[in-house]
Amino acid sequence: GAGVSQSPRYKVAKRGQDVALRCDPISGHVSLFWYQQALGQGPEFLTYFQNEAQLDKSGLPSDRFFAERPEGSVSTLKIQRTQQEDSAVYLCASSLDLTYGYTFGSGTRLTVV
Amino acid sequence: GDSVTQMEGPVTLSEEAFLTINCTYTATGYPSLFWYVQYPGEGLQLLLKATKADDKGSNKGFEATYRKETTSFHLEKGSVQVSDSAVYFCALSDPGSQGNLIFGKGTKLSVKP
Repeated sequence: GAGVSQSPRYKVAKRGQDVALRCDPISGHVSLFWYQQALGQGPEFLTYFQNEAQLDKSGLPSDRFFAERPEGSVSTLKIQRTQQEDSAVYLCASSLDLTYGYTFGSGTRLTVV
Repeated sequence: GDSVTQMEGPVTLSEEAFLTINCTYTATGYPSLFWYVQYPGEGLQLLLKATKADDKGSNKGFEATYRKETTSFHLEKGSVQVSDSAVYFCALSDPGSQGNLIFGKGTKLSVKP
């Protein structure tokens, strides 16, 4: 597609519920990143994929967070047993060549009630 | 660890006023520096970047110069327009990283006609 597509755009989850957030990167983009943006803050790195390999997951805040990209294209960020502190906008970005930066999606706004 | 500090907003200016948004960074190596912009309801977009000391990034009338001696990358525009109203994020990428970005907290700019 023309840009990075994320779905759903908005998600409301009850505390304790599992959620799955989807990212469709730009076709052919090798690198894929997930970021978490809390209200009024800058995005914070969660995890990085190069093709299907998850090369860095140091930013995942707990073992309730899990990300995958099984075929090196679409990626899913899964959050188990959601907590109120998980409420944030989750951003996905992809890149063909990191030298030139990368393209962000519009994000998924997760609200845990 | 690496970090980015931006001036706090919000910043409110009249149309055609001069804009400066300050950004300083802390990094162990020689990072690449970026300004991203987030228009209301949209994803983050790369505004400009600089990859080494004394480089000047420019785009859409915005400029920022990579100042190693002051570890700064201040964003400037000579004459702002209403359409420049957005949140601006300063960010760095450490060359030793996988390309993940470290963001400042963002500065909200409102331009009044």
